[in-house]
Amino acid sequence: QKEVEQNSGPLSVPEGAIASLNCTYSDRGSQSFFWYRQYSGKSPELIMFIYSNGDKEDGRFTAQLNKASQYVSLLIRDSQPSDSATYLCAVKDSGGSNYKLTFGKGTLLTVNP
Amino acid sequence: DADVTQTPRNRITKTGKRIMLECSQTKGHDRMYWYRQDPGLGLRLIYYSFDVKDINKGEISDGYSVSRQAQAKFSLSLESAIPNQTALYFCATAGTPSTDTQYFGPGTRLTVL
Repeated sequence: QKEVEQNSGPLSVPEGAIASLNCTYSDRGSQSFFWYRQYSGKSPELIMFIYSNGDKEDGRFTAQLNKASQYVSLLIRDSQPSDSATYLCAVKDSGGSNYKLTFGKGTLLTVNP
Repeated sequence: DADVTQTPRNRITKTGKRIMLECSQTKGHDRMYWYRQDPGLGLRLIYYSFDVKDINKGEISDGYSVSRQAQAKFSLSLESAIPNQTALYFCATAGTPSTDTQYFGPGTRLTVL
């Protein structure tokens, strides 16, 4: 059973701070990693994907990947109250089941004004 | 217009009733998925389809069936609804296998009394 682990939170940060969200995964062969944001009662919305080791930046968001450590993270700079949501880490399965994503249970982020 | 639509958005039904949830997409994607989301359990895959003739069970398919009527339409049925099928249901689509970025519909909140 492939697993994706996230700290459930809640993670609380003040407005303007950096929020750091972490994710570990068990499938060593995984090559594609995704971060989704989900507001309460709404559908998951893709924020970023990352395939290569290192950092990938998109606006206030930076995804970091370390395949050797099986670790992926999301940094949100200058956090805003509108960033308050649950963040889902998703990992594309490798091998024969590479059609599907395995999702973590999500980390609840609260940004306090 | 939304790329992935789901109907109905909310549904309350009684134990033993048959119910169908529908998903339509205008993204031109071949891959379509049905998930359910429960508090504390995250997103779990029910069924997925790569094309009209290719339908596969996910990790929690018992009690559910699906129909891929066209490339753009993928329906989920509960033949005899039971209370523990109360959940938030999402349809998702994905394009090229090399990326498998999934895009989610708005969701259907189903309550089985």
